[in-house]
Amino acid sequence: EPEVTQTPSHQVTQMGQEVILRCVPISNHLYFYWYRQILGQKVEFLVSFYNNEISEKSEIFDDQFSVERPDGSNFTLKIRSTKLEDSAMYFCASSRVGVNQPQHFGDGTRLSIL
Amino acid sequence: AQSVTQLDSQVPVFEEAPVELRCNYSSSVSVYLFWYVQYPNQGLQLLLKYLSGSTLVKGINGFEAEFNKSQTSFHLRKPSVHISDTAEYFCAVSAVNQAGTALIFGKGTTLSVSS
Repeated sequence: EPEVTQTPSHQVTQMGQEVILRCVPISNHLYFYWYRQILGQKVEFLVSFYNNEISEKSEIFDDQFSVERPDGSNFTLKIRSTKLEDSAMYFCASSRVGVNQPQHFGDGTRLSIL
Repeated sequence: AQSVTQLDSQVPVFEEAPVELRCNYSSSVSVYLFWYVQYPNQGLQLLLKYLSGSTLVKGINGFEAEFNKSQTSFHLRKPSVHISDTAEYFCAVSAVNQAGTALIFGKGTTLSVSS
């Protein structure tokens, strides 16, 4: 069964540095998403992406965040200047086009900001 | 806006016992409802979903859930649990008829099955 894959599984970065989290969505999916889960808290929506543009974003997704589909297979989340509170598990998800298509999640990238 | 409340943060249960994980939601629009499971060090896996039709939905691994519109609930049940069901379970909603829209999650319920 096709899967969403995320790399790396764990990223350690110094505060203030830029970080890029990478995702390969399922190949026939056209909607892509990023979520994050701070330790002990709920999974929170960050952004959705379709047709090379952001379709929806939360208030968490401020100017320090950006997303990109640099080629036909990857989907990335960039955090420009990381803060301690960015430490979290970041999940990528993808879904087919359609109003009732379920989102399929990757295993996540654990981001630790020092 | 939508919100999801999972009423129990932890549910300990013995193997082969029945279990119910509770979920209530609030929304100003119609929603789809989902349960996801997260095993240790893994991502979120879809257990089951309610989109429309029969209010009792069956999912993978013997789980089922019942949508109750009047009580705005979507409780997850399994008649007999296994050790391997030990995991974090998340209830989630999304707005109907909006493709690519956000999933709104509850805080999760940790199910611990012991022998």
